[in-house]
Amino acid sequence: GAVVSQHPSRVICKSGTSVKIECRSLDFQATTMFWYRQFPKQSLMLMATSNEGSKATYEQGVEKDKFLINHASLTLSTLTVTSAHPEDSSFYICSARGGSGGRQTQYFGPGTRLLVL
Amino acid sequence: GESVGLHLPTLSVQEGDNSIINCAYSNSASDYFIWYKQESGKGPQFIIDIRSNMDKRQGQRVTVLLNKTVKHLSLQIAATQPGDSAVYFCAETGGFKTIFGAGTRLFVKA
Repeated sequence: GAVVSQHPSRVICKSGTSVKIECRSLDFQATTMFWYRQFPKQSLMLMATSNEGSKATYEQGVEKDKFLINHASLTLSTLTVTSAHPEDSSFYICSARGGSGGRQTQYFGPGTRLLVL
Repeated sequence: GESVGLHLPTLSVQEGDNSIINCAYSNSASDYFIWYKQESGKGPQFIIDIRSNMDKRQGQRVTVLLNKTVKHLSLQIAATQPGDSAVYFCAETGGFKTIFGAGTRLFVKA
């Protein structure tokens, strides 16, 4: 199946700093990428949808100025958590969708564990 | 029905038995459904999908059933194995976004 990678896999940072998470589709071109957040023992919550070359669409309640998303190419999307605080500690997962034929399956990355001290 | 954000319900089964995991979805316009398996500390892994014009689809050891009348989806795992222990999520797509259900944690007892 298609491969999606994330980097870093784990990051610890001090409160007030910014953290950038990369999401790459390794063997296909992803016209659309999605960013999810998952708190312990909970489901994945969609944060935003990004399309290559255009502004991301954020879900209700997600601060676009805090969670900056850039989808600069068909294989790379980045999520920057600005001025991170302990409540931003979570598991961040990206997924990518692309290809032809109307296939709707999203392929997920392995996730990035963020801990803000 | 399920709500995103609730703590996970748990299903415990004996190795070798069949498992049935249920999910209620909310959007009657959803036309595509997927089951994902998520192991601890990892991203979701695709298991099986089904479109709204079908009511049953079988894969290897897994079967998905769709009841559009009551907006219910189920995942059946035959001869459950220890490696099946994970959290299972149903997801619905009605258009462009994929929204996840609450999830069920499956424990397989040896």
